[in-house]
Amino acid sequence: DIQMTQSPSSLSASVGDRVTITCRTSQSISSNLNWYHQKPGKAPNLLIYAASSLQSGVPSRFSGSGSGTDFTLTISSLQPEDIASYYCQQSYSAPYTFGQGTKLEIK
Amino acid sequence: EVQLVESGGGLVEPGGSLRLSCAASGFDFSKTWMTWVRQAPGKGLDWVGRIKSKNAGGTTDYAAPVKGRLSISRDDSKNTLYLQMNSLKTEDTAVYYCSSLSTWGGVIVLSYWGQGTLVTVSS
Repeated sequence: DIQMTQSPSSLSASVGDRVTITCRTSQSISSNLNWYHQKPGKAPNLLIYAASSLQSGVPSRFSGSGSGTDFTLTISSLQPEDIASYYCQQSYSAPYTFGQGTKLEIK
Repeated sequence: EVQLVESGGGLVEPGGSLRLSCAASGFDFSKTWMTWVRQAPGKGLDWVGRIKSKNAGGTTDYAAPVKGRLSISRDDSKNTLYLQMNSLKTEDTAVYYCSSLSTWGGVIVLSYWGQGTLVTVSS
């Protein structure tokens, strides 16, 4: 199985800050990496797919990059509505494992 | 509009069984691969398993912790996905989400999600 290492597990930042979350996989997965966000009490939603493609309706302050084993989710200017937990997920091979998650809070 | 609605959650004793359902609408269910994901209270997301469409073989894959105890099936005539849960353990306590699998940009994604149903395993 492919192991996922996501960091940090929690992050506190101010409105307007640039925020970066990283995800590393135990083997190369090309660009088979997706990011989801989950607001408290709600189901997760797809944010970025294929490492860098923005899901329809997602603000352009979100971006993704990387390939192989190292990936990054960036929020260019943090907004209050971005408070959520963020998860990376690989779909290179089943089981489609998730990262441990990053809980993002406003400072 | 795509809708996924889970049902069947509840309280069950350790060693017991439960069957979850996921009613799908708004897309061609029979051609869509489907998956279950769970989330223990206060924890992250755990992939449970997936089922391919019948024209792709209808086969299933599972995460190691649930293999042999949880099984996924589908009834395309009812646009419904199932998760049969047997020999339940306290560590199976979680919200269970069903999700559709789509291929976007050449990559498999969990494209749409239900609202989840809570399963509590406790004596």
